[in-house]
Amino acid sequence: DTAVSQTPKYLVTQMGNDKSIKCEQNLGHDTMYWYKQDSKKFLKIMFSYNNKELIINETVPNRFSPKSPDKAHLNLHINSLELGDSAVYFCASSQGQGERGYTFGSGTRLTVV
Amino acid sequence: DAKTTQPPSMDCAEGRAANLPCNHSTISGNEYVYWYRQIHSQGPQYIIHGLKNNETNEMASLIITEDRKSSTLILPHATLRDTAVYYCIVFNNYGGATNKLIFGTGTLLAVQP
Repeated sequence: DTAVSQTPKYLVTQMGNDKSIKCEQNLGHDTMYWYKQDSKKFLKIMFSYNNKELIINETVPNRFSPKSPDKAHLNLHINSLELGDSAVYFCASSQGQGERGYTFGSGTRLTVV
Repeated sequence: DAKTTQPPSMDCAEGRAANLPCNHSTISGNEYVYWYRQIHSQGPQYIIHGLKNNETNEMASLIITEDRKSSTLILPHATLRDTAVYYCIVFNNYGGATNKLIFGTGTLLAVQP
């Protein structure tokens, strides 16, 4: 029933590792997003994809590579993880540019040790 | 950058109406006022949006001043489960594909028993 689902919910990994977070939406939306929420609780957009095409890339280090195999999925791969990557990552989706609102997943808490 | 100003925190007694103010004095003609909330450890949740008329749905009411420079989100009968950070966001519904939802610091509403 979950509209936007992310896996895993928690991820603990060592510096230097490569990890992926998966996101799927069953709402039929055509736009998907990744947001990062840091320890100070600021929510910042990282990427958006519309129909599998990258639309927004917010000066995120190129260690972060989003991939959208189809419009229902947007995965986030992170290479060479750093301590500063520790945060909660939220996936979201919307129809079009989001005039009816975005639907967010429940988040993935990434801890880099 | 967020284009809204909200008080950092507010308290409300359970069962009473919660009135959350937001200033958006530089709002432009195409920008709507959106409200989202984030309950602890969850993803943000869309609540309501409006352009210039007052709006009501099953979650809340939105009152926008005639000059559109400020608005108030009203939760008519607050419950403990309404404790969350509430975000007021201006969003251009005609901004195109690169449009993005930008979160500020929001208001932490604490509903007291």
